[in-house]
Amino acid sequence: GEDVEQSLFLSVREGDSSVINCTYTDSSSTYLYWYKQEPGAGLQLLTYIFSNMDMKQDQRLTVLLNKKDKHLSLRIADTQTGDSAIYFCAATYSSASKIIFGSGTRLSIRP
Amino acid sequence: DTAVSQTPKYLVTQMGNDKSIKCEQNLGHDTMYWYKQDSKKFLKIMFSYNNKELIINETVPNRFSPKSPDKAHLNLHINSLELGDSAVYFCASSQGSQSQSPLHFGNGTRLTVT
Repeated sequence: GEDVEQSLFLSVREGDSSVINCTYTDSSSTYLYWYKQEPGAGLQLLTYIFSNMDMKQDQRLTVLLNKKDKHLSLRIADTQTGDSAIYFCAATYSSASKIIFGSGTRLSIRP
Repeated sequence: DTAVSQTPKYLVTQMGNDKSIKCEQNLGHDTMYWYKQDSKKFLKIMFSYNNKELIINETVPNRFSPKSPDKAHLNLHINSLELGDSAVYFCASSQGSQSQSPLHFGNGTRLTVT
């Protein structure tokens, strides 16, 4: 079935790295995305990775893709208070030509 | 210069009323969507239009009717509003089908039905 799963909460200390994990079910997913949602705002595209890639790095963000295990992760280096938000993982489901979102991981930063 | 804009930002109304939410995108995209986000932040697709044609229609009550006058606009009309319709509704757009390009979201319309 169509499913994208991620843990609901993550708490990290300011300055540490945050790692948000996600699993998906459709092995034919071509694109996998990470979106960020701040309070009262829409979803902002952070980064995405094509399924033939293992890793993508963009400044403080590193995306790792394990296609065999259908596992995606987002690492945020040197986490800052401004990184507090809900992070959504999303995967394309080509059979239905749509994007399915995970439930979102709420990242909180402690001093 | 907002890429995907939707109005109103907040909408408070009583049960049984009919209301509309409007969405416009100036990105030149040819596909537009409506998503519903509930109080637990779950995000679920409702509709998708490509060049004014309906291509995705999830299991949504008939009270919800999308209308796309042109590929830059996708409006959502809701009849006979119910308490369970309270949610944040997001409009989004993309170039081509979803499997090819990421979604760009509006800032959402928070609908409260009393």
